[in-house]
Amino acid sequence: DAGVTQSPTHLIKTRGQQVTLRCSPISGHKSVSWYQQVLGQGPQFIFQYYEKEERGRGNFPDRFSARQFPNYSSELNVNALLLGDSALYLCASSSVVNNNEQFFGPGTRLTVL
Amino acid sequence: GESVGLHLPTLSVQEGDNSIINCAYSNSASDYFIWYKQESGKGPQFIIDIRSNMDKRQGQRVTVLLNKTVKHLSLQIAATQPGDSAVYFCAEIMDTGRRALTFGSGTRLQVQP
Repeated sequence: DAGVTQSPTHLIKTRGQQVTLRCSPISGHKSVSWYQQVLGQGPQFIFQYYEKEERGRGNFPDRFSARQFPNYSSELNVNALLLGDSALYLCASSSVVNNNEQFFGPGTRLTVL
Repeated sequence: GESVGLHLPTLSVQEGDNSIINCAYSNSASDYFIWYKQESGKGPQFIIDIRSNMDKRQGQRVTVLLNKTVKHLSLQIAATQPGDSAVYFCAEIMDTGRRALTFGSGTRLQVQP
């Protein structure tokens, strides 16, 4: 069975540009969460979606947005990129919103120049 | 692959020895704790979890200890193997509906053959 998949694997952008990252959860999982991992640190929570609705948001600016589609896949969008947005963006899925066990994808490495 | 944690504290052990990785968590309201293993170029992988009403839980070659009095969590790995080399993160979940993970800063485990 396929685990959580994310695309693209790597991405290079310049300051001010916009980026869209994609995530497909494990089949049957309805909840998707996004995390940002800066090099040398633990992941930080950005968003959680369940049944296409936002169920939680971390301490990130409004430049960050996300959505979940009817097939439970998700996109994370970041506008007006800053150098500090360079990080590994991780997607995690769980079967339901209050399920403690979250399964992570391999991440998308975003570099902002 | 990329290095997950270039500036993380490092624990170096000999193959076959036991390893103990420590973590101080931040929120006394957290009711669930998880240890994750992250290898270079990969997303975090679930190792073992423990609920706040327990003080010890054992898995295969791993044991997690929870001391709520001092807000301390530890991961013990028995008979450490080269494949255990990775960055280890503790994470906590507060008793909220969204179940977002709050990660600690991580420890790099290096197993010497």
